[in-house]
Amino acid sequence: AQSVSQHNHHVILSEAASLELGCNYSYGGTVNLFWYVQYPGQHLQLLLKYFSGDPLVKGIKGFEAEFIKSKFSFNLRKPSVQWSDTAEYFCAVNSGSARQLTFGSGTQLTVLP
Amino acid sequence: NAGVTQTPKFQVLKTGQSMTLQCAQDMNHEYMSWYRQDPGMGLRLIHYSVGAGITDQGEVPNGYNVSRSTTEDFPLRLLSAAPSQTSVYFCASSPLSDFVNYGYTFGSGTRLTVV
Repeated sequence: AQSVSQHNHHVILSEAASLELGCNYSYGGTVNLFWYVQYPGQHLQLLLKYFSGDPLVKGIKGFEAEFIKSKFSFNLRKPSVQWSDTAEYFCAVNSGSARQLTFGSGTQLTVLP
Repeated sequence: NAGVTQTPKFQVLKTGQSMTLQCAQDMNHEYMSWYRQDPGMGLRLIHYSVGAGITDQGEVPNGYNVSRSTTEDFPLRLLSAAPSQTSVYFCASSPLSDFVNYGYTFGSGTRLTVV
């Protein structure tokens, strides 16, 4: 069974700092990769996704992620975070023809003003 | 507005009570699923459905039942609530034909407390 690991459980940054959140998955075949964001009290929203092509994917609100197949990783980055980026971030993977998403445990990001 | 609607938003149950969490979508999505979200554990799949009349178990199905009589609705039933079912429940939907491009649309969640 596939699994997703997010090693950073809670990250605290000051505004304008750079962000990188780690995501590793354990599946050797073709995968589709997603990052979702959950703002306080809200439901999950799609930040970006990768399914093929350019391994550097750009999403909404200045976020990007890089798929590195050899490292089974899909790390999320943002050059300069804002207070409004405070949220929980989930990495998710879908493999093959299945429609299920397997989620990581999430990373809580707190941005201090 | 098109989307996934979950009711109720909040619920408190006593141990042993039963209830149904409602989920409806108006996007004609074939795929629907239920997740529970617990601190430090991310989202875990309870049940899913790929169309009316078709359901299957996910990672944590025990204590929950589902049915899918229409494309729009996918209710989740708790048969006899237990404190371990205290969680936030999310319903999600997606088109089968364009899942990769579309991903999931999530509902706003139901926060359930079992005392």
